[in-house]
Amino acid sequence: DAGVIQSPRHEVTEMGQEVTLRCKPISGHDYLFWYRQTMMRGLELLIYFNNNVPIDDSGMPEDRFSAKMPNASFSTLKIQPSEPRDSAVYFCASSLFGTGRQNIQYFGAGTRLSVL
Amino acid sequence: QKEVEQDPGPLSVPEGAIVSLNCTYSNSAFQYFMWYRQYSRKGPELLMYTYSSGNKEDGRFTAQVDKSSKYISLFIRDSQPSDSATYLCAMSESQGNLIFGKGTKLSVKP
Repeated sequence: DAGVIQSPRHEVTEMGQEVTLRCKPISGHDYLFWYRQTMMRGLELLIYFNNNVPIDDSGMPEDRFSAKMPNASFSTLKIQPSEPRDSAVYFCASSLFGTGRQNIQYFGAGTRLSVL
Repeated sequence: QKEVEQDPGPLSVPEGAIVSLNCTYSNSAFQYFMWYRQYSRKGPELLMYTYSSGNKEDGRFTAQVDKSSKYISLFIRDSQPSDSATYLCAMSESQGNLIFGKGTKLSVKP
């Protein structure tokens, strides 16, 4: 398996623009997670899905952020409108269902977002 | 007080040294404890995974969990330049909602 695939790897945009980040989890995995990593705050969970259903979105910072998982092999994280403080590295991760197994998360290479 | 505290370093050691990394936490409900390694410009990768208290060894790596003190450690024996990375501790109650430390940046000098 190719692992978790994220696109784009880098995104530079201007304040106010819509940004869409994409993720393809490992085939067969039941859980999908979106994280944001910054120097100040470290790695923070934004939202996670189980079997394509959002389970916990309490980490989503504002209504400008939204995430969808239309099927088991694809998820998007959208920021509209984007702001400079959204600049960060966004990671997607996936894992299998099972007692404790959902903690064994496999991360993608991340999308480095810069909002000017 | 943050749920998980981790000294950000940086930590610089000579090749062959024993490295000790640690995290403290405040949530006594945490049951699953992990260490992830993150190389520059890469995603984190799972290094060690422990359930509840105790020790776990894997090659040059040993993870320790002391739930009574709310303290976890990662030891690296015979450290190598290839171990240079940021090490993130992570914890969970049960549902996969991982809480990460901010990471300790380690540099192993040849």
